[in-house]
Amino acid sequence: NAGVTQTPKFRVLKTGQSMTLLCAQDMNHEYMYWYRQDPGMGLRLIHYSVGEGTTAKGEVPDGYNVSRLKKQNFLLGLESAAPSQTSVYFCASRDRGVGGYTFGSGTRLTVV
Amino acid sequence: SQELEQSPQSLIVQEGKNLTINCTSSKTLYGLYWYKQKYGEGLIFLMMLQKGGEEKSHEKITAKLDEKKQQSSLHITASQPSHAGIYLCGAETDSWGKLQFGAGTQVVVTP
Repeated sequence: NAGVTQTPKFRVLKTGQSMTLLCAQDMNHEYMYWYRQDPGMGLRLIHYSVGEGTTAKGEVPDGYNVSRLKKQNFLLGLESAAPSQTSVYFCASRDRGVGGYTFGSGTRLTVV
Repeated sequence: SQELEQSPQSLIVQEGKNLTINCTSSKTLYGLYWYKQKYGEGLIFLMMLQKGGEEKSHEKITAKLDEKKQQSSLHITASQPSHAGIYLCGAETDSWGKLQFGAGTQVVVTP
């Protein structure tokens, strides 16, 4: 099925551990985004990419790094996880300046 | 930075009654998106509004964007239990398509 796939769906990390969240889309979309959702705060933009090889910071980028080596994949990395990064992470993609957004089903991350 | 205010924060409505959720921006929007979310699940796309004065309807849900493209409302007519959930508005803030979200409105539908 066409869409945005996020892996993993759930993960528990210990403080200080690292991990990478993968977002893959098969719609040939140019733009991709990573958001985090915390209770009572809606979604906040972490990083985004407007094309292969390009990334930019969003509203809450600290503690995260991203890479877009291939157009279809957008990776979100946590180098040293902290409890404050416990959240639900959503990836989204969109065609260049056109139409709506396709969201993944989310990754629920707990840092203990 | 742009501010996006969503109100009310929560809403309890009796089945069959109408409800309205508002989303107000401090700046003119490129576009306004409405999503619904069940607790612990992903976002379900409802409506996309891009033109000033635009109004769209789907089943019992109607969304409007004002002429100045700074305020949107989502109206549900004759609410049903299936309408329960969290409603989120997302404002497209620039040409790169970055979305800024409201804090969400939790809707509870009682018998």
